[in-house]
Amino acid sequence: GQQLNQSPQSMFIQEGEDVSMNCTSSSIFNTWLWYKQDPGEGPVLLIALYKAGELTSNGRLTAQFGITRKDSFLNISASIPSDVGIYFCAGQTSGNTPLVFGKGTRLSVIA
Amino acid sequence: KAGVTQTPRYLIKTRGQQVTLSCSPISGHRSVSWYQQTPGQGLQFLFEYFSETQRNKGNFPGRFSGRQFSNSRSEMNVSTLELGDSALYLCASSLGLTGGRSSNEQFFGPGTRLTVL
Repeated sequence: GQQLNQSPQSMFIQEGEDVSMNCTSSSIFNTWLWYKQDPGEGPVLLIALYKAGELTSNGRLTAQFGITRKDSFLNISASIPSDVGIYFCAGQTSGNTPLVFGKGTRLSVIA
Repeated sequence: KAGVTQTPRYLIKTRGQQVTLSCSPISGHRSVSWYQQTPGQGLQFLFEYFSETQRNKGNFPGRFSGRQFSNSRSEMNVSTLELGDSALYLCASSLGLTGGRSSNEQFFGPGTRLTVL
């Protein structure tokens, strides 16, 4: 099925550094969602975006809905050890169509 | 408000057996979606139920089926298990209504880890 291109696949960063990751699609989406998954748990919703150009923050996390509606970005500022995990983007084309997920970005933070 | 719960958390089965997984959504949520998560394929959509009706279906064989009850609780069944069915099965609930900014935000349960031997 359709999948989003999420990059990078993995990142190793020093504590305190900023992190950027993104998702791109060949399709236009009306909704972008960002999730974080810890080992052995289900994904947790971090940020939801509904409008092209929208910029939304949740603490140290900031996400943007791309102007073309085919991409989205997630930034984490001043990373800390508990930011470790897998971050997923998900997009929805319209209405009640299923979410399409990226394959995730695995983040490792070195203290 | 209680989150999404899934039972059991862990399950070991042998090839050819069948299995039933259960999901209880957040109170008030009418949509339940099921996903299969594997290291190689990521999160793959199985199906979605809304008000006891299957509203969307992914590209999985007919061995994978589901249903939803009047209280919005959902079950998924996998018959004739294969080794490749080993995965984390996640369910997610949402309000599921058309329109409204947050109605399709999905909240996940902790998953059921299925191992097929």
